[in-house]
Amino acid sequence: AQRVTQPEKLLSVFKGAPVELKCNYSYSGSPELFWYVQYSRQRLQLLLRHISRESIKGFTADLNKGETSFHLKKPFAQEEDSAMYYCALNTNAGKSTFGDGTTLTVKP
Amino acid sequence: GAGVSQSPSNKVTEKGKDVELRCDPISGHTALYWYRQSLGQGLEFLIYFQGNSAPDKSGLPSDRFSAERTGESVSTLTIQRTQQEDSAVYLCASSLRGGQSSYEQYFGPGTRLTVT
Repeated sequence: AQRVTQPEKLLSVFKGAPVELKCNYSYSGSPELFWYVQYSRQRLQLLLRHISRESIKGFTADLNKGETSFHLKKPFAQEEDSAMYYCALNTNAGKSTFGDGTTLTVKP
Repeated sequence: GAGVSQSPSNKVTEKGKDVELRCDPISGHTALYWYRQSLGQGLEFLIYFQGNSAPDKSGLPSDRFSAERTGESVSTLTIQRTQQEDSAVYLCASSLRGGQSSYEQYFGPGTRLTVT
């Protein structure tokens, strides 16, 4: 069975500092990995997916199959990045597994 | 265009009563998902529909929970004989297709269920 682990429930950094939100997964097949974000009083929405290899709002994430990780990184955090972040894994059977989420607080 | 909508937005019910939660996905999206988000917890997968069929019901917590989808559109999640531990936010999401897993899921605003 697949599993997604986000080891940090809470993460706090100062504005301008680098930030890394950790995500580890276990899945025997070829995973599709995503980061979703939920800002205060807003819907959960896609931030980025590994297949696109894109940078969104300054965030990047690299799939490391050797370490089974998909950590989310941003070199300079902004206050507006404060939100709940979820790492998610999709299987080719359509099932989605989400981690427990990390609440990021960026302090001024 | 319109996003995923859910109704009601809030539901308070007495223990033992049945409740029905509704999800209207984005038009043309064939895949539909239900999740549960309990206080302080992550997203718990409940069920996934591809069209009108549910290839994966493994996440339904008990036989009190059931879901159906008609016409490749609206879906209802029914909880019978509600218990206090059913209190949570129930989220619905849809995507263009399931199976091919790289499609983004679009989430609804959720239904907050409180069982007293």
